[in-house]
Amino acid sequence: GAGVSQSPSNKVTEKGKDVELRCDPISGHTALYWYRQRLGQGLEFLIYFQGNSAPDKSGLPSDRFSAERTGESVSTLTIQRTQQEDSAVYLCASSLNVRVEQYFGPGTRLTVT
Amino acid sequence: RKEVEQDPGPFNVPEGATVAFNCTYSNSASQSFFWYRQDCRKEPKLLMSVYSSGNEDGRFTAQLNRASQYISLLIRDSKLSDSATYLCVVNIFGTGNQFYFGTGTSLTVIP
Repeated sequence: GAGVSQSPSNKVTEKGKDVELRCDPISGHTALYWYRQRLGQGLEFLIYFQGNSAPDKSGLPSDRFSAERTGESVSTLTIQRTQQEDSAVYLCASSLNVRVEQYFGPGTRLTVT
Repeated sequence: RKEVEQDPGPFNVPEGATVAFNCTYSNSASQSFFWYRQDCRKEPKLLMSVYSSGNEDGRFTAQLNRASQYISLLIRDSKLSDSATYLCVVNIFGTGNQFYFGTGTSLTVIP
């Protein structure tokens, strides 16, 4: 079946602009996660959605970052007033439920110039 | 202290060799455990979940030691295609649902 998809695959933006990244999880997966991975580094948790519960935003690095999810489907991650340190690959993952394995999308490579 | 720690390597092994990676976790409340592989500039892909009794999938064997708080991955008969970074992942489910990723162990299988 279809896996997790993300768009765009690459995004180059100027410092100070806002960007919106999209994630389509696997159908039927109730949990959705966003991570950031800087070049040569590990995954950094950003935010987690589970069903209709309030999201866990504990990993968002600043108030410039926000995310929404519509029910148990699409999620968007928005970064306002982008900075050069925001340059990274943003990965989305979904899982059938809590505590079980996650499946990752191909990521969005964000470059802030 | 990091929730999950891995030896970053690199491990450089010849084809056909057996190689083992360990990963330690700090929180005894950890409940689910996984190994992922990540190829260069690609997303992590699930390799296997790790069960309490240990589990095997072909050339790959995973073990969990709750008493010592570590998990291991053994790769037998290494192939060139096994070259990747291997990520240890731990889940803690309590008031939230947290997944902690290790920074990965790099493996290169040499012809």
